Amino acid sequence: AQSVTQLGSHVSVSEGALVLLRCNYSSSVPPYLFWYVQYPNQGLQLLLKYTTGATLVKGINGFEAEFKKSETSFHLTKPSAHMSDAAEYFCAVSGGLGSSGSARQLTFGSGTQLTVLP
Amino acid sequence: KAGVTQTPRYLIKTRGQQVTLSCSPISGHRSVSWYQQTPGQGLQFLFEYFSETQRNKGNFPGRFSGRQFSNSRSEMNVSTLELGDSALYLCASNPGVRGTEAFFGQGTRLTVV
Repeated sequence: AQSVTQLGSHVSVSEGALVLLRCNYSSSVPPYLFWYVQYPNQGLQLLLKYTTGATLVKGINGFEAEFKKSETSFHLTKPSAHMSDAAEYFCAVSGGLGSSGSARQLTFGSGTQLTVLP
Repeated sequence: KAGVTQTPRYLIKTRGQQVTLSCSPISGHRSVSWYQQTPGQGLQFLFEYFSETQRNKGNFPGRFSGRQFSNSRSEMNVSTLELGDSALYLCASNPGVRGTEAFFGQGTRLTVV
């Protein structure tokens, strides 16, 4: 079974500061990895994903994440926070290549609420 | 290209009633998944339909059911509503190709009173 752990349910940063949201996964084979963002009363919007290939992936709005197999991590970063980045962020996994798990069923972490201070 | 459309956006129901939620996926997408989001349990997978067949099911009681039509539109039904069913229900549309991402609708906010 797959699982996802997001360290820190609440993260606060100052505007212009580095954003670092942590995600670790547990899976018997490397899963597909995703970061989604959710604004209040909205659905989930994809920020970026890792399936295969380059381990550093770039997403929308200046976010990027690096897949580190040895650390089973997929942390999300952004060099400079903007007020509009305040939202809840979810890391998710699905069955990767060679996995018996479904590639379409997402397992989510518990989410990290990002606050950006002026 | 139109996104994922969920209707209605908000619902208030009484305990014991039943409810049907609707999801229209992105055109061409054959997979529709449903998720329940609550403050206590977070985002939990309910079930997935692909080409009108349920392919995966999460750990929810039989009161939760769904179906998919030939045009890929999907409905989920919850019978004998309980207070704990109050949640945001999210529908996700996926092309069905391995490694592709899910696209989410804005959700239906169900309140059971």
